[in-house]
Amino acid sequence: EIVLTQSPGTLSLSPGERATLSCRASQSVGTRYLAWYQQKPGQAPRLLIYGASSRATGFPDRFSGSGSGTDFTLTISRLEPEDFAVYYCQQYDSSLITFGQGTRLEIK
Amino acid sequence: EVQLLESGGGLVQPGGSLRLSCAASGFIFSNFAMTWVRQVPGKGLEWVSGLTPGGDSTYYANSVKGRFTISRDNSKNTLYLQMNSLRAEDTALYYCAKDFIRGGSGYYFDYWGLGTLVTVSS
Repeated sequence: EIVLTQSPGTLSLSPGERATLSCRASQSVGTRYLAWYQQKPGQAPRLLIYGASSRATGFPDRFSGSGSGTDFTLTISRLEPEDFAVYYCQQYDSSLITFGQGTRLEIK
Repeated sequence: EVQLLESGGGLVQPGGSLRLSCAASGFIFSNFAMTWVRQVPGKGLEWVSGLTPGGDSTYYANSVKGRFTISRDNSKNTLYLQMNSLRAEDTALYYCAKDFIRGGSGYYFDYWGLGTLVTVSS
């Protein structure tokens, strides 16, 4: 089973700042099989990035994903108030899926 | 509009059973893999189980293998999760979710229900 480790656990930033979230895998993950989700309190997760770098419908271009192999990054170029949430990475490998433990992005 | 509505959660004693359902609408259900993901309130996401569009292939997390069974009825647009031998650590909010890719194997999921809460306690 591939273990995903996200860092930092909590990221405290101000609106307008740049956020960089990391997701590291215990084994290589195909870029096609790496996704990011955004979850706000009381809501279900929402697909944000798929295929490591493709943005899902409804998310602005300030969100971007990158990476390959074992290291993946979610970048939010300029934080808006609505971006403060928990972000999870997720991978698919050999019909098994695992999630990272999440990064909480909070307002400083 | 895609909608997923879970039901069947509740309070059950350790060792007991529950059957969760997920009623789908707004898309061609039989064309998409489906999955169950759970979340302990305030904690992270844990994938539980998934199955292919036709239901012929099923997959399970090690933590539930041999105790849970995923299935679907494409004529009723409904996904199921039969949960047996429940443990306290199975307590969570259970979400069903739809595969992003038509005809895919369930790589990632673009629509989620609101979840149904399962509590395992004596």
